[in-house]
Amino acid sequence: DQQVKQNSPSLSVQEGRISILNCDYTNSMFDYFLWYKKYPAEGPTFLISISSIKDKNEDGRFTVFLNKSAKHLSLHIVPSQPGDSAVYFCAASASSGNTGKLIFGQGTTLQVKP
Amino acid sequence: NAGVTQTPKFQVLKTGQSMTLQCAQDMNHEYMSWYRQDPGMGLRLIHYSVGAGITDQGEVPNGYNVSRSTTEDFPLRLLSAAPSQTSVYFCASSYSIWTGELFFGEGSRLTVL
Repeated sequence: DQQVKQNSPSLSVQEGRISILNCDYTNSMFDYFLWYKKYPAEGPTFLISISSIKDKNEDGRFTVFLNKSAKHLSLHIVPSQPGDSAVYFCAASASSGNTGKLIFGQGTTLQVKP
Repeated sequence: NAGVTQTPKFQVLKTGQSMTLQCAQDMNHEYMSWYRQDPGMGLRLIHYSVGAGITDQGEVPNGYNVSRSTTEDFPLRLLSAAPSQTSVYFCASSYSIWTGELFFGEGSRLTVL
């Protein structure tokens, strides 16, 4: 049972435009969400996070939106740059209950075309 | 500052062989974990540890053993490798289980023939 789902395996965007990556979750106990970025032959690196007490968190070109009622979060990248081409994973955890378990989605491959 | 170091980076095993993937971190992180990455499956948690002497199972623990005798090291053991364990393995650590911000190693690509 996939608790965190990224239903779009890939996304292609033109440089300078907005990239929107989506993520859905099923476990209502999740209260902390993160996005990681992964380049080929490297480990994932942390990008941005959001707590369930917020509905938006912004860091430069990256903004994460959380819709708790829909159990949905999204990552917006504006403007997109070729260097943003990577695999993006969303992840979720519960600070109570299943502590220590960060559950990842399947990943979305973003290609930003020059 | 090396961060999270995994060895080996590549390994080929025959079915039934055993091996240990090594993971070491020099950030004094309490939390360490092992993930495997497979196409279409994303990153799946194998085992994790919230401190020396404490380990617990993740989503896909079968076929793997771990121990945490020191804060720095968290080895992953495959006792009898199977082709289904062909994957890329990532070790990760964080200051605490509450932050969720993991620091990952570069990965170890394992092929079981």
